[in-house]
Amino acid sequence: NAGVMQNPRHLVRRRGQEARLRCSPVKGHSHVYWYRQLPEEGLKFMVYLQKENIIDESGMPKERFSAEFPKEGPSILRIQQVVRGDSAAYFCASSPPERQGANTQYFGPGTRLTVL
Amino acid sequence: QKEVEQDPGPLSVPEGAIVSLNCTYSNSAFQYFMWYRQYSRKGPELLMYTYSSGNKEDGRFTAQVDKSSKYISLFIRDSQPSDSATYLCASGGGFKTIFGAGTRLFVKA
Repeated sequence: NAGVMQNPRHLVRRRGQEARLRCSPVKGHSHVYWYRQLPEEGLKFMVYLQKENIIDESGMPKERFSAEFPKEGPSILRIQQVVRGDSAAYFCASSPPERQGANTQYFGPGTRLTVL
Repeated sequence: QKEVEQDPGPLSVPEGAIVSLNCTYSNSAFQYFMWYRQYSRKGPELLMYTYSSGNKEDGRFTAQVDKSSKYISLFIRDSQPSDSATYLCASGGGFKTIFGAGTRLFVKA
């Protein structure tokens, strides 16, 4: 009974490189969320996806960041041309199909991105 | 004004104490309320969730919601050193969940 899986757990990139973060939701969960967390700060919403659809990307920077959740395979958060300010922990969460008033999100262990 | 406000602490208590963690929220349309626990360098772990005003108890943990004052609380009885973590409150409606910044709790043995 695997929970949310994220890989890699740690990622080091130099400025200008691309970072790809992967998230496999809990089996049966069709909703995926990506959050960013800086030290001593809370979780900042980035994007909400369902299979093959981006539902809300209001928290994601317009440039360099993109996300997808294909029909098959994990969700991907992609950061192009990384800068030092992108260094943070990125968490993925998944939730089951919608129920009335419910949005219980289950988090993965996170990917810690360090940009040199 | 942030939609969910939480005192960042840190809060330090002796083992066995009753801990009270609090949040306020501003959006009266929020329908559900949750508490997460996050250990250092780990992902948040869902502790409690509730949809209505009142109390919900699970072991040593009690979640309390007062919708009239938009106030959310988490009580931890007989606190243990293993409870030392950051506690995040969250609230929302539909698919939108807003997280507080988290309160760091230290329980001293």
